[in-house]
Amino acid sequence: AQTVTQSQPEMSVQEAETVTLSCTYDTSENNYYLFWYKQPPSRQMILVIRQEAYKQQNATENRFSVNFQKAAKSFSLKISDSQLGDTAMYFCAFMKRVGNAGNMLTFGGGTRLMVKP
Amino acid sequence: EAGVTQFPSHSVIEKGQTVTLRCDPISGHDNLYWYRRVMGKEIKFLLHFVKESKQDESGMPNNRFLAERTGGTYSTLKVQPAELEDSGVYFCASSHFRGSTPGEQFFGPGTRLTVL
Repeated sequence: AQTVTQSQPEMSVQEAETVTLSCTYDTSENNYYLFWYKQPPSRQMILVIRQEAYKQQNATENRFSVNFQKAAKSFSLKISDSQLGDTAMYFCAFMKRVGNAGNMLTFGGGTRLMVKP
Repeated sequence: EAGVTQFPSHSVIEKGQTVTLRCDPISGHDNLYWYRRVMGKEIKFLLHFVKESKQDESGMPNNRFLAERTGGTYSTLKVQPAELEDSGVYFCASSHFRGSTPGEQFFGPGTRLTVL
């Protein structure tokens, strides 16, 4: 079974600064995907960024980037130039690769991020 | 394109009663997932449909929970009889097959269930 751990229940950052959210996971699988999801207050959870485990290059999506360390089983999210709209609950998630099919997500406990003006 | 919708948004029931939650996935999405977040804990997987078939129901906590997806469209999750520990937020997500990689899971807003 897989486990995902987010060690920072809450964080805050000043607008325009950079913040890094931590995530570690434990698995015996070799083929898998990692995700960061964002849930703004009273809104639906949306995908921020994804990483395929077989890719060494870290994924980036505009101001969001990850630091994927496969050997250390670490998958941190960096948010650059933080904006007020980044205030949300952030969930790290793991998905085992099962052929071409979809599969369940295993989530961490979440990190509540507040961006301060 | 409409997103994943869930009904009701909130439900308050008494212990022992029955509640049915509904999820309408994004049109054309064959994969449908149910998750729940009990207060203060992680979001946990409940089950996964591919069209109308249960692909994985390993996360269903007990036989008081029954999920269906008739016709491979919307899904219902019935809790009967509800217990206090069933309180939490129930999320539904859907995705489509996307060639060699799994499609993104799109989440609904969730149903907040309170059992008194």
